[in-house]
Amino acid sequence: NAGVTQTPKFRVLKTGQSMTLLCAQDMNHEYMYWYRQDPGMGLRLIHYSVGEGTTAKGEVPDGYNVSRLKKQNFLLGLESAAPSQTSVYFCASSYPKSGTNTGELFFGEGSRLTVL
Amino acid sequence: GIQVEQSPPDLILQEGANSTLRCNFSDSVNNLQWFHQNPWGQLINLFYIPSGTKQNGRLSATTVATERYSLLYISSSQTTDSGVYFCAVEPWASDSWGKLQFGAGTQVVVTP
Repeated sequence: NAGVTQTPKFRVLKTGQSMTLLCAQDMNHEYMYWYRQDPGMGLRLIHYSVGEGTTAKGEVPDGYNVSRLKKQNFLLGLESAAPSQTSVYFCASSYPKSGTNTGELFFGEGSRLTVL
Repeated sequence: GIQVEQSPPDLILQEGANSTLRCNFSDSVNNLQWFHQNPWGQLINLFYIPSGTKQNGRLSATTVATERYSLLYISSSQTTDSGVYFCAVEPWASDSWGKLQFGAGTQVVVTP
C-alpha cells in the first residue's frame, strides 16, 4: 500500500520550460490537493479537486494548471516556469468529511523544484 | 478567505518541558487538523479535531469552535517532537468544501 506517491522527487528547470508533476493515490480518496511550501510561509493551497473530472482554485493558482482525469491521479502543470515557482510541492488526498469519514489528510513526500 | 494564525512562530523547549501551541481562525470551520512536519520534511497528521478534545499519548488537542481557536498540547517533550506544527482548516461555507488551508506553523526545537 503506497499511499500518496509524487513523481518526480527533484527537478531543475530553466525559466520558460514546462513540466508536469504527477500525484497518485491508492486509497480511493475523493479529494486531492496540491500545495507549495516556501520558507516561513507554511503550505499554500494551489489547486484542489473534490472528485474525478473536477478542479478548483486554491490560494495561489496563478501560473499552474491541474487535471483530474482519473480518480487516483492529480496532475500539476507549469506551462512556463518562473524562478518564483521554485518551491517544494506537496500532494495530499483525503475522503470528504461525512459520516464516519474524518477527512484526514494524507501527504506525499514532496517534490523539490528549482527554476533557474 | 479564511485567515489562520498560529502562535508562537518559534518555540525552544528543554526535554521534559510542556508547551501549548495555538491556532486562531477567522470564520466557522467544517474541519480542523493538526500536522507535524519532521526535520526531514515528512508531514504527519496528528489530530482531526473540528471541536472538542482528543488525546494521543503525550499530545492532546482542544478546539473551541464557537471561539474560533484550537490548542495543541505537548507534554514531557522529547527531541523527536522537534519540527514544525501546522494547523489546517476547511471553511464551513459550501463553496469552500474541501478547501483545506494551512497556518504558517510553529517551529519547535526540543533540546536535550
